[in-house]
Amino acid sequence: EVQLVQSGAEVKKPGESLKISCKGSGYSFTSYWIGWVRQMPGKGLEWMGIIYPGDSDTRYSPSFQGQVTISADKSISTAYLQWSSLKASDTAMYYCARRIMITFGDHAFDIWGQGTMVTVSS
Amino acid sequence: DIQMTQSPSSLSASVGDRVTITCRASQSISSYLNWYQQKPGKAPKLLIYAASSLQSGVPSRFSGSGSGTDFTLTISSLQPEDFATYYCQQSYSTPHTFGQGTRLEIK
Repeated sequence: EVQLVQSGAEVKKPGESLKISCKGSGYSFTSYWIGWVRQMPGKGLEWMGIIYPGDSDTRYSPSFQGQVTISADKSISTAYLQWSSLKASDTAMYYCARRIMITFGDHAFDIWGQGTMVTVSS
Repeated sequence: DIQMTQSPSSLSASVGDRVTITCRASQSISSYLNWYQQKPGKAPKLLIYAASSLQSGVPSRFSGSGSGTDFTLTISSLQPEDFATYYCQQSYSTPHTFGQGTRLEIK
């Protein structure tokens, strides 16, 4: 079964660092981009960025560039999303998702992780 | 960034109704448009890709159409399990932005 399994919920204080994970299985992890999507409480979906685990090529949304770091360890089929200094406004559900190529230049997220809830509160 | 605008933001309908949700892009995105369904407490699910192609396993009552800047998602006969929030997403250029969502509620 193709799946992405994310790490568990986190409760952190402002200023703390955090790294959450997304482990892929059932497919060739290095052959598909992995994306991260934020959903703030009661709000919509926001595309944060993507990484190609095969060579760690990474693209960020301008809204998230410099705010988070996306990385991957292909040896353990795991992608990461990390913060160096959390803010209360980072409180959200974070999803990872596998990006498939439909045709050249056309993509969609076909497999999603279950989400990791990050709560930042003093 | 390409802006995606969905209408309506919320919609009340009954089982058996035909429902249409619209998504408009701020510039032409050809047919690079996906639709997702999200139920409360769950991850989104891909329904439609490339504007009109049905993802494997998705019921045929869902259909998509459009190209350029204007797109629609149609549910031909609403079922109880279809009450959820629907998002469009453009994959024409990064960041692959989402619409703000359309919440479909039971009337």
